[in-house]
Amino acid sequence: DQQVKQNSPSLSVQEGRISILNCDYTNSMFDYFLWYKKYPAEGPTFLISISSIKDKNEDGRFTVFLNKSAKHLSLHIVPSQPGDSAVYFCAASVMNYGGSQGNLIFGKGTKLSVKP
Amino acid sequence: DVKVTQSSRYLVKRTGEKVFLECVQDMDHENMFWYRQDPGLGLRLIYFSYDVKMKEKGDIPEGYSVSREKKERFSLILESASTNQTSMYLCASSLLYTLYGYTFGSGTRLTVV
Repeated sequence: DQQVKQNSPSLSVQEGRISILNCDYTNSMFDYFLWYKKYPAEGPTFLISISSIKDKNEDGRFTVFLNKSAKHLSLHIVPSQPGDSAVYFCAASVMNYGGSQGNLIFGKGTKLSVKP
Repeated sequence: DVKVTQSSRYLVKRTGEKVFLECVQDMDHENMFWYRQDPGLGLRLIYFSYDVKMKEKGDIPEGYSVSREKKERFSLILESASTNQTSMYLCASSLLYTLYGYTFGSGTRLTVV
């Protein structure tokens, strides 16, 4: 049973507009969430994270929102650029005693295409 | 620049061959992981290790084994390669205590014919 779901396999957005990538989770024990970006023929790279004590985290053009009651998080990219075209993976974990991340559970990914 | 290095970018092997995929990290990370990535299935965990000589099964360990004799090196072994093991294999590492996710290698595209 999939614990982390990215229900949109792909998303196409015009350059300069907002990209919104969604992720749902089923395990209410998850309390730490991350987004990764993956280009073809490269490994995934860490983008941004959020813990369950927050509902928003920003880093430049990237903002992650967490809705714990809905078990939903989203990644907003504003403005979108052609270089943002990649596969985006959502990941979740249960933090260990001591405040460290546990093993990451990944979603299936969403392929974002940003058109010039 | 910190790195996770996978020894081969592309490999082609025959059915029944024993295949070794090597991964080395230079960050003194305790944790190391092997994933495979397939279209529509995302990243699936095969095995992971928290320490030298220690290993834990992930979600899809069948047909695979691992070896971690040194802290910096984590090997994935396909005992008898089969065509359904054709995939992109990704190695990752992390500190034991961290909030910065995993650092991934560039991947090995394995084709079993």
